[in-house]
Amino acid sequence: DAGITQSPRHKVTETGTPVTLRCHQTENHRYMYWYRQDPGHGLRLIHYSYGVKDTDKGEVSDGYSVSRSKTEDFLLTLESATSSQTSVYFCATSDGYNEQFFGPGTRLTVL
Amino acid sequence: GENVEQHPSTLSVQEGDSAVIKCTYSDSASNYFPWYKQELGKRPQLIIDIRSNVGEKKDQRIAVTLNKTAKHFSLHITETQPEDSAVYFCAARNNFGNEKLTFGTGTRLTIIP
Repeated sequence: DAGITQSPRHKVTETGTPVTLRCHQTENHRYMYWYRQDPGHGLRLIHYSYGVKDTDKGEVSDGYSVSRSKTEDFLLTLESATSSQTSVYFCATSDGYNEQFFGPGTRLTVL
Repeated sequence: GENVEQHPSTLSVQEGDSAVIKCTYSDSASNYFPWYKQELGKRPQLIIDIRSNVGEKKDQRIAVTLNKTAKHFSLHITETQPEDSAVYFCAARNNFGNEKLTFGTGTRLTIIP
């Protein structure tokens, strides 16, 4: 599965707490992405990275921040989690020309 | 930005029949069109893709067609089998602009034995 791992795989947290999700890749891909998946909405891009310390917003970036300090790791942070951020989060990587490979996903529940 | 519309949202077909899922895109500069399959509780995985210099591509029972003039592309699955039951997503990307994929909202395909 293209050497992409996500941690944690499941998390339950309370409204107002900070949450950090981690994506780790061993493919040396330049591009990394964070998506959220909700019923009826498909896969929506939150943030993406086109290199170390180079990131940009996606279509649903409000309430999220990201960081990429090295090629293999891409972190997604919810500064103050809200119930609307309950979702399944997928990380993906790409060399920019060929397919995107997805990680196994993280199921986040915000109570 | 790019907008991808996908239809139908749900599709049920008898085992052995064909299934067709259609997508339209808005950005005429898009040049890469992948299709992903997502089984329940699993990650999306690429099943076939097509680039804008090709009109059709086949891989065994799966084919994708692209009409650049009309800005639409379709997934065709022939001789459907129970293991084809899943959610299918189309997507579009401009390889010479940003490298972001824009996804359709998905089609839940159910194969009836």
